[in-house]
Amino acid sequence: GNSVTQMEGPVTLSEEAFLTINCTYTATGYPSLFWYVQYPGEGLQLLLKATKADDKGSNKGFEATYRKETTSFHLEKGSVQVSDSAVYFCALSSLSGGGADGLTFGKGTHLIIQP
Amino acid sequence: EPEVTQTPSHQVTQMGQEVILRCVPISNHLYFYWYRQILGQKVEFLVSFYNNEISEKSEIFDDQFSVERPDGSNFTLKIRSTKLEDSAMYFCALLQGPYGYTFGSGTRLTVV
Repeated sequence: GNSVTQMEGPVTLSEEAFLTINCTYTATGYPSLFWYVQYPGEGLQLLLKATKADDKGSNKGFEATYRKETTSFHLEKGSVQVSDSAVYFCALSSLSGGGADGLTFGKGTHLIIQP
Repeated sequence: EPEVTQTPSHQVTQMGQEVILRCVPISNHLYFYWYRQILGQKVEFLVSFYNNEISEKSEIFDDQFSVERPDGSNFTLKIRSTKLEDSAMYFCALLQGPYGYTFGSGTRLTVV
């Protein structure tokens, strides 16, 4: 079955530091990959996505590249801000059965940015 | 991006009681989903719903759970007899087009 593994948190960084959150996956076929962000007390918001190998998703200074050869989708940002503090979830969708199986999520990485 | 409204935002219920969580999408979509997030843990798939019937469900989605679209608009998740371990955040989601997943803001269910 499908699975997503992401680095354990919390990850604590200083403002303007470089961020990498690792994500690897196991899936049949050619899944699409996503990063979702959850701010304290809020729901899940799509941060970025990539639907095929070598695609790069980007949004709000965050980037992730779909690497089929390493089955990875690492999240990066060059200079983090305090407002980036949140929980980040890596997820995949194989659209098996046209969408029946929904998204498979990783456990989430809690990011804490200190001023 | 389509909006998804979930009600209530927070519900406290006694063990053994029935609860109904509601999700209201702005317009019709291809698939509807319910997910659960126990505090501090990962988001887990519960069930997908397509064309007014369950398409797929996880091991979590046992006989205590049911879903329906009673009026063609609202999408509900019912837990018949709540247990303490049902305490979690429940998210409704929908799929519009390929890979266009949108999540609601969630309902925090607390079973006491």
